[in-house]
Amino acid sequence: AQSVAQPEDQVNVAEGNPLTVKCTYSVSGNPYLFWYVQYPNRGLQFLLKYITGDNLVKGSYGFEAEFNKSQTSFHLKKPSALVSDSALYFCAVRGPNAGNNRKLIWGLGTSLAVNP
Amino acid sequence: DGGITQSPKYLFRKEGQNVTLSCEQNLNHDAMYWYRQDPGQGLRLIYYSQIVNDFQKGDIAEGYSVSREKKESFPLTVTSAQKNPTAFYLCASIASGHYNEQFFGPGTRLTVL
Repeated sequence: AQSVAQPEDQVNVAEGNPLTVKCTYSVSGNPYLFWYVQYPNRGLQFLLKYITGDNLVKGSYGFEAEFNKSQTSFHLKKPSALVSDSALYFCAVRGPNAGNNRKLIWGLGTSLAVNP
Repeated sequence: DGGITQSPKYLFRKEGQNVTLSCEQNLNHDAMYWYRQDPGQGLRLIYYSQIVNDFQKGDIAEGYSVSREKKESFPLTVTSAQKNPTAFYLCASIASGHYNEQFFGPGTRLTVL
């Protein structure tokens, strides 16, 4: 069965320090991977995606993610965290055989708190 | 500006009442989705539609209904059969093409009194 795991419910980091939000997945075949961010009482905003090619993907607001096929991971990273990065982060995956419906499988989310 | 709009932002309902949540997009996207978000449970798919006049049940369709009479609109009705409807509801759409990402509306928070 296809699945996504975000092993940390919450991540705390000091402003200016690097941050990592973890995501691991299980799909058959090559995955399509996505990261979204959600601020309180708002919709989700797309950050970045991995489809194919370079394992390091750069996205919005200085975020990047590294696809690691052997570890089935797609961790979200940022070199220097800002207080404004505090939000809920979701990882999602779609298998190559998902069909035309393009449904995503979602992680449960990780709450990131950046402390001043 | 292109985007997805959801209305109302906040909605209060008495038990036993049906209520309809609006979702409109002017992105010319073919597919649209409705999700329910509860604290700690991530996003759960209620219904989705790939083309006009066609839609499929998601993982938690019971107590919900939808229609897709126009490409731009995908309203969700929460019926009295939904036993625990208090939640944050999110609408999303996606352009045609296999690798595109979903775009989300701002959400509607439904509270049953």
